[in-house]
Amino acid sequence: NAGVTQTPKFRVLKTGQSMTLLCAQDMNHEYMYWYRQDPGMGLRLIHYSVGEGTTAKGEVPDGYNVSRLKKQNFLLGLESAAPSQTSVYFCASREDRGHGETQYFGPGTRLLVL
Amino acid sequence: AQSVTQLGSHVSVSEGALVLLRCNYSSSVPPYLFWYVQYPNQGLQLLLKYTSAATLVKGINGFEAEFKKSETSFHLTKPSAHMSDAAEYFCAVSKPSYGKLTFGQGTILTVHP
Repeated sequence: NAGVTQTPKFRVLKTGQSMTLLCAQDMNHEYMYWYRQDPGMGLRLIHYSVGEGTTAKGEVPDGYNVSRLKKQNFLLGLESAAPSQTSVYFCASREDRGHGETQYFGPGTRLLVL
Repeated sequence: AQSVTQLGSHVSVSEGALVLLRCNYSSSVPPYLFWYVQYPNQGLQLLLKYTSAATLVKGINGFEAEFKKSETSFHLTKPSAHMSDAAEYFCAVSKPSYGKLTFGQGTILTVHP
């Protein structure tokens, strides 16, 4: 039982390049989330999904797209990377049993955009 | 609307001393509150959560937090700090809409020998 895994762990991009971050969970969770972490700002929600085939915008969605084609996977895409997207990205998942349920986090992906 | 404020971006204590990390929340509905810990270069791990049962919540590694509605606070404490407690700590409130978490800014705890 690996929990929540993220690939890659670290990536360097040039401005304008694109990439996809992959999140996978093996807990059969319905809900999945993408956050970004920046110093002094905590974690901020980018996009989330409440089930296979569904996605919705979070607090800071601009410049990102997501897809949830399979229940266990949640992909975060950057079509044209910008230096402002340099951050640490975390994926999380949880069960669908009320908003007191715990979110389980992956180890993160560090992205540097030059 | 839900929001969280963590007072103090850095807290430094001596090993064996009391740890107190402050969190105040704002919520238009009865809140569900969480404390997460992040060790260097790792993801977030749940320490404890309040879900309207007991107001004093005990978590892992000897941490506990008390929900005080009158003060809109959910401060995290540990009676005796250990070197291994050095990490960043996040307080979060859950929104009724799909359980989205709103995080505080984080508090970095340093423990001195």
